[in-house]
Amino acid sequence: SQELEQSPQSLIVQEGKNLTINCTSSKTLYGLYWYKQKYGEGLIFLMMLQKGGEEKSHEKITAKLDEKKQQSSLHITASQPSHAGIYLCGADGSTYKYIFGTGTRLKVLA
Amino acid sequence: EAQVTQNPRYLITVTGKKLTVTCSQNMNHEYMSWYRQDPGLGLRQIYYSMNVEVTDKGDVPEGYKVSRKEKRNFPLILESPSPNQTSLYFCASSSSYNEQFFGPGTRLTVL
Repeated sequence: SQELEQSPQSLIVQEGKNLTINCTSSKTLYGLYWYKQKYGEGLIFLMMLQKGGEEKSHEKITAKLDEKKQQSSLHITASQPSHAGIYLCGADGSTYKYIFGTGTRLKVLA
Repeated sequence: EAQVTQNPRYLITVTGKKLTVTCSQNMNHEYMSWYRQDPGLGLRQIYYSMNVEVTDKGDVPEGYKVSRKEKRNFPLILESPSPNQTSLYFCASSSSYNEQFFGPGTRLTVL
């Protein structure tokens, strides 16, 4: 079965610093989703990537899907305390089934 | 406002006492799903439904039941809850092959 591994598991950065979170799949990705979760709350959709080499940006967050479609990265530029939370990658594991990575906990120090 | 609602948000119960967590969406989505989130294990899919009267097992279906009699509702039923079902539960919905919209979560404790 397909698995998603995220790294790092946790990250503490100073406000204003850039950071990158990675999501590696054991199989080819056909749809990769990034979500953000505030502690104990629901997930908020950030971006969806489907094509190899695709890159999307929203405000200070950029996500990429590599050409081989087995890894995605999420990059935050000039981090702010509002970026703190848990970032999860998710994928279509098979028809109608979804899998998620275990998440990356981000803390931004003001 | 487009949303997924879950009730209750918090529940403390005892082993063996049947319970239902309701989930409702107002976006006319065909696809709905239930997940549980546990520390170190991430988000795992329990059951999903592709449309009314069509449901299937996810990765961790043991001890749970679901039904999809109406498009907007997808309740999660625990017939005989056990302590290992203590978890944070999320319901989600989507239209085909698009991002999922998640509910606010239900924190369940089984004593």
